[in-house]
Amino acid sequence: DAGVTQSPTHLIKTRGQQVTLRCSPKSGHDTVSWYQQALGQGPQFIFQYYEEEERQRGNFPDRFSGHQFPNYSSELNVNALLLGDSALYLCASSFWTVLGGYTFGSGTRLTVV
Amino acid sequence: AQSVSQHNHHVILSEAASLELGCNYSYGGTVNLFWYVQYPGQHLQLLLKYFSGDPLVKGIKGFEAEFIKSKFSFNLRKPSVQWSDTAEYFCAVNGGTSGTYKYIFGTGTRLKVLA
Repeated sequence: DAGVTQSPTHLIKTRGQQVTLRCSPKSGHDTVSWYQQALGQGPQFIFQYYEEEERQRGNFPDRFSGHQFPNYSSELNVNALLLGDSALYLCASSFWTVLGGYTFGSGTRLTVV
Repeated sequence: AQSVSQHNHHVILSEAASLELGCNYSYGGTVNLFWYVQYPGQHLQLLLKYFSGDPLVKGIKGFEAEFIKSKFSFNLRKPSVQWSDTAEYFCAVNGGTSGTYKYIFGTGTRLKVLA
């Protein structure tokens, strides 16, 4: 059990569509980070949410947006999907300091056709 | 920008062989270092972490890593691997020029241990 729950596990979308991915953090964690992992690559940081605010963002376009709810769960939204957005999207939760390390979910596999 | 390099993309070892996986990071001030492992079909799990103090860090399942500041390296080691160590290993850095909160991951090393 990862402790971090992501849904859905797999998703197929068409170019130009919009997608929403969901994440419930491990109990006790208040910080949620989202990563994109392309095939054969390491995870790349999209953004991190703490206290319902985006507090750091990686090099991703504005098409990628997110939200954190009062119960610490989070959503990742991607608009105007491109073929290149096909990847495994990982949610990671942690305490606010992030120094203790992340707990990762199993990810959502997004395929854009 | 902060970066992490893992030199070995694929490693094949026989059981009982010793393991060393390389990890180098670009200079960027004070950093925190991590190794994560992903077993087949499972999520990423934290193996060990270094913040400060003793540069030799011990983690779970007999793994250890040594921080060598002068070489900007944080190599992962295990004296004797088992078949169950077959997995993908990721080195990650936090801090420095990457900012306070995000982790920068390397591209990973796929380890296959032959029984």
